[in-house]
Amino acid sequence: DAKTTQPNSMESNEEEPVHLPCNHSTISGTDYIHWYRQLPSQGPEYVIHGLTSNVNNRMASLAIAEDRKSSTLILHRATLRDAAVYYCILRRGNTPLVFGKGTRLSVIA
Amino acid sequence: SQTIHQWPATLVQPVGSPLSLECTVEGTSNPNLYWYRQAAGRGLQLLFYSVGIGQISSEVPQNLSASRPQDRQFILSSKKLLLSDSGFYLCAWSADRETNEKLFFGSGTQLSVL
Repeated sequence: DAKTTQPNSMESNEEEPVHLPCNHSTISGTDYIHWYRQLPSQGPEYVIHGLTSNVNNRMASLAIAEDRKSSTLILHRATLRDAAVYYCILRRGNTPLVFGKGTRLSVIA
Repeated sequence: SQTIHQWPATLVQPVGSPLSLECTVEGTSNPNLYWYRQAAGRGLQLLFYSVGIGQISSEVPQNLSASRPQDRQFILSSKKLLLSDSGFYLCAWSADRETNEKLFFGSGTQLSVL
């Protein structure tokens, strides 16, 4: 499986935008970029995914570099409920998700 | 709508005892099913996944096993628990229709082996 690299932790102030980076320099042409997040003591939940173009949904935006070797998850206005571990995952087809260590996001009131 | 049920929420078991965790999905048919484990302070590890009844793929060799006796039922078992089996066990499902189907996770079982 292609690997992703994320910072171990990040901090944000409440109501400010958050940009969570992910490097995936060995991505292949058929790998989709998925983001999940895990709130404390819960299972992960889907956030967003994309292939080449930037994507937006009600939770977040995904900005994908032109060469696809990196991407950024954007939370437009962080709230305390966004404090979680965010996982960037490369996925081919319907293969099982393989989680890395993710980025632990702390949100400060 | 689809729902996933996982129980129990917490479990304390002695070393050497057997284990059975059950997961059921409602509102869909022929789902892909998964078992993950998260040890304390660590990432999620894929243990087993299944694309159909009786079809189990094991990702990590260990003393755990999985079975899928019915389409929407996935069971994680062990004959003799080890201390290292402690962790947060999560069941998940995804549809088997298209690529990039989202995974939906259950609420998890916190297992403590003492």
